[in-house]
Amino acid sequence: DSGVTQTPKHLITATGQRVTLRCSPRSGDLSVYWYQQSLDQGLQFLIQYYNGEERAKGNILERFSAQQFPDLHSELNLSSLELGDSALYFCASSVGGGVNTGELFFGEGSRLTVL
Amino acid sequence: DQQVKQNSPSLSVQEGRISILNCDYTNSMFDYFLWYKKYPAEGPTFLISISSIKDKNEDGRFTVFLNKSAKHLSLHIVPSQPGDSAVYFCAASAFASYDKVIFGPGTSLSVIP
Repeated sequence: DSGVTQTPKHLITATGQRVTLRCSPRSGDLSVYWYQQSLDQGLQFLIQYYNGEERAKGNILERFSAQQFPDLHSELNLSSLELGDSALYFCASSVGGGVNTGELFFGEGSRLTVL
Repeated sequence: DQQVKQNSPSLSVQEGRISILNCDYTNSMFDYFLWYKKYPAEGPTFLISISSIKDKNEDGRFTVFLNKSAKHLSLHIVPSQPGDSAVYFCAASAFASYDKVIFGPGTSLSVIP
């Protein structure tokens, strides 16, 4: 158990809809990351927050947005969903703020299926 | 632009033999290199890392080698066990990029009993 909690674990929705994925980081971790893993693809970095502020942005579509709340949990919002958005979405956390050693703690992921 | 590459999507090895997983990177600003392991239906878990000031780091059956001039690293697993069957992701980070961590596409390792 990494200590990172993601909900929901599975989500099935239709094209054009909007969904919200939620992540609670490990206790004490200030950084939250979102990654997307599509079929046969690696982990694509989407966005990272540190203590409520956006810190780094990767290949995140304009239809996607995220935020980190004062209690440090984070939400990833996916809108105008397309078939190609079907993927596993991982949240990870780290203490953050200091030397970047790259050690992240991942949740179990949220599997999104768009029909 | 793929900054971290793993050119072998899959690898099969006999139990007890050595598994060698390779990774190449393009960004010379990377300072830390890591390997993560992922089982189906689970999130990736950290396995081993190496700082750019070292060329080798060992942890039990796992050893990571770094060749900075070639921008190449490898993970050696000796001896390989069936429980090592998983997807292995190579990752890299740079101190100056705050906490950004870039992952490769992964290599699926199968250890055959």
